[in-house]
Amino acid sequence: GESVGLHLPTLSVQEGDNSIINCAYSNSASDYFIWYKQESGKGPQFIIDIRSNMDKRQGQRVTVLLNKTVKHLSLQIAATQPGDSAVYFCAEKKNTGNQFYFGTGTSLTVIP
Amino acid sequence: NAGVMQNPRHLVRRRGQEARLRCSPMKGHSHVYWYRQLPEEGLKFMVYLQKENIIDESGMPKERFSAEFPKEGPSILRIQQVVRGDSAAYFCASSPYHSGTEAFFGQGTRLTVV
Repeated sequence: GESVGLHLPTLSVQEGDNSIINCAYSNSASDYFIWYKQESGKGPQFIIDIRSNMDKRQGQRVTVLLNKTVKHLSLQIAATQPGDSAVYFCAEKKNTGNQFYFGTGTSLTVIP
Repeated sequence: NAGVMQNPRHLVRRRGQEARLRCSPMKGHSHVYWYRQLPEEGLKFMVYLQKENIIDESGMPKERFSAEFPKEGPSILRIQQVVRGDSAAYFCASSPYHSGTEAFFGQGTRLTVV
């Protein structure tokens, strides 16, 4: 079946450094990808999304890159702050079907 | 504009009891999704509903689980005869239209079966 997985389950970065969180997906038919942030005890919060007809999209301090050739998605966080500490999920949505498929998540810890 | 509201936030049930989880979508949203999250795992899709209709329940266990989204009132995820393996966080998300963009999540209900 389809899966959305993450390369690294945990990531620690120094405050002020840039963070890169990676995600692999298996379904080349997926046309929409989202990054969510989940803080402890809270629900997932939308960060940024990208459609399959794009390679890159930038938001405030975050950039998502999509490499369809190798089915790879990454989230880059610039100047990481302690408030960025959370679990980050990538999710894919197929061009047919109703649900988002989520990966396990990467736990990001920012070291002050 | 209040976000997606789920209640209760925490629910403890003994094995064999029933659990009822409620989700009020954001104002103007008519699409509701339920997900289950086990510890250290991602979100697993359970069911997608529109008002008074179940659109996709491919992620729902065949027995003991049911969901509804009535014309009036919140969406309800019902788990009958709970077992220890049902212990998890259950998240509800809503969106204004299906083929659109992101879904907005609630804070979740943490079910513990003792």
